[in-house]
Amino acid sequence: GEDVEQSLFLSVREGDSSVINCTYTDSSSTYLYWYKQEPGAGLQLLTYIFSNMDMKQDQRLTVLLNKKDKHLSLRIADTQTGDSAIYFCAERGNTGRRALTFGSGTRLQVQP
Amino acid sequence: DVKVTQSSRYLVKRTGEKVFLECVQDMDHENMFWYRQDPGLGLRLIYFSYDVKMKEKGDIPEGYSVSREKKERFSLILESASTNQTSMYLCASSPLPGQGPPEQYFGPGTRLTVT
Repeated sequence: GEDVEQSLFLSVREGDSSVINCTYTDSSSTYLYWYKQEPGAGLQLLTYIFSNMDMKQDQRLTVLLNKKDKHLSLRIADTQTGDSAIYFCAERGNTGRRALTFGSGTRLQVQP
Repeated sequence: DVKVTQSSRYLVKRTGEKVFLECVQDMDHENMFWYRQDPGLGLRLIYFSYDVKMKEKGDIPEGYSVSREKKERFSLILESASTNQTSMYLCASSPLPGQGPPEQYFGPGTRLTVT
C-alpha cells in the first residue's frame, strides 16, 4: 500500500524556525495535508496543498512540495511554545479511496 | 464551523464486551471515517462510509463493524472487545470531491481502554 514517512521528533528554541519533513510514495496524490494534534485533542487541519502547486504560505506556515522527489515540508516561522504538538502529514490519492493516508507524526518540542 | 462530535472522550470496557462508539457530524457530509491512532503508527483507517447504509473496509477492519443508518451518524462497533483494541479512536467526515474544500474534519477522539 501507499506509505507516508516522517521523523518522530524535532526540538527547537522559541523564536527559531521549525521545519518538519515528510515523504510519500503515492505518485497519484492529489492533495497533501498537515494536521496538528495537541495533547488530548483531535486533529486540527493546519493547511493543505494541491499536488500541482509547489508552495503555499499561510501566515507563519509555509508548505513546500517537491513532487518529483515526493517530499513535503512544513516550515513554522517564529516558533512559539504553543506550537508544541504532534504534526501529521497526510495524502489523498486519486484512486477513488477517499480516506487519507497518514504518517506516524512528528512531535515538535519548543524550548523557551 | 464544521462540527464532528464523538459520544465519549474516555471509555473503559472489559474484555469480551460489545462496545459502541458514536460519531455525529453536522455538515451534511457524505463521507465518514473511523481511524485508530496508536503511538508511532499514526492514524490507520478502520472503515469508511460514503453514503447511508454504504460502507467499505479500511486497512485494519478485523474485530470491528460499522453502522450508518442516518447520514449524520456513523457508529463503530467492537463486537467482542480485546485488550489489543485499547487505543484512541478518531472519527472524521468530508464532503464529496467537488462539493467543498478537500478537507477532512476530525472529532475530539475517544480514548478506549479494554481491561
